[in-house]
Amino acid sequence: DIQMTQSPSTLSASVGDRVTITCRASQSIGSWLAWYQQKPGKAPKLLIYKASSLESGVPSRFSGSGSGTEFTLTISSLQPDDFATYYCQQYNTYLYAFGQGTKLEIK
Amino acid sequence: EVQLSESGGDLVQPGGSLRLSCAASGFIFSNNAMNWVRQAPGKGLEWLSSISGSGGTTYYAGSVKGRFTISRDNSKNTLYLQMTSLRAEDTALYYCAKDYSNGHHLDCWGQGTLVTVSS
Repeated sequence: DIQMTQSPSTLSASVGDRVTITCRASQSIGSWLAWYQQKPGKAPKLLIYKASSLESGVPSRFSGSGSGTEFTLTISSLQPDDFATYYCQQYNTYLYAFGQGTKLEIK
Repeated sequence: EVQLSESGGDLVQPGGSLRLSCAASGFIFSNNAMNWVRQAPGKGLEWLSSISGSGGTTYYAGSVKGRFTISRDNSKNTLYLQMTSLRAEDTALYYCAKDYSNGHHLDCWGQGTLVTVSS
């Protein structure tokens, strides 16, 4: 099974900062990677699919890149609404897998 | 508007069984694969199982294979998860989630239903 590893586990940043979260796959998954945002008490929300495609309605400050085994989610200028937990997910195989999550905290 | 609504969560004793349901609306249900994903208290997301749009193909995570069964009734626009031999570590919020297509990203999630396994 494919394992997904995110780094860092926790990230402290300030409003206006540019932040990057990394996700690594244990084997190549092409571009079959999605990113989700989850706020406390809420269901996850799709942000990015196919590594770099922005889901409709998601602000353009979010972007994704990468292929193969290494991927990044970048938020170009943090807004107060962005403090949440972020998960990557591979769907290269039908046995989907999520990363362990990255909690983005206010510094 | 696409909507998913889970139900059936409850307090159950270890070794017990439970069936979760997910009612779907706002899209052609049989066109999309569906999934169950869970989140233990304070933990991350764990994909559990998926089923193709026709219901003919299913996949399971190793942690639930042989204990959980995913199914769907396309005439009722409803997804199910039959859970047996429940353990304390199955305590979690269970989400249903819609595949964009079949074998793609998850573009819509329900709000979850809570399963607590405890004596």
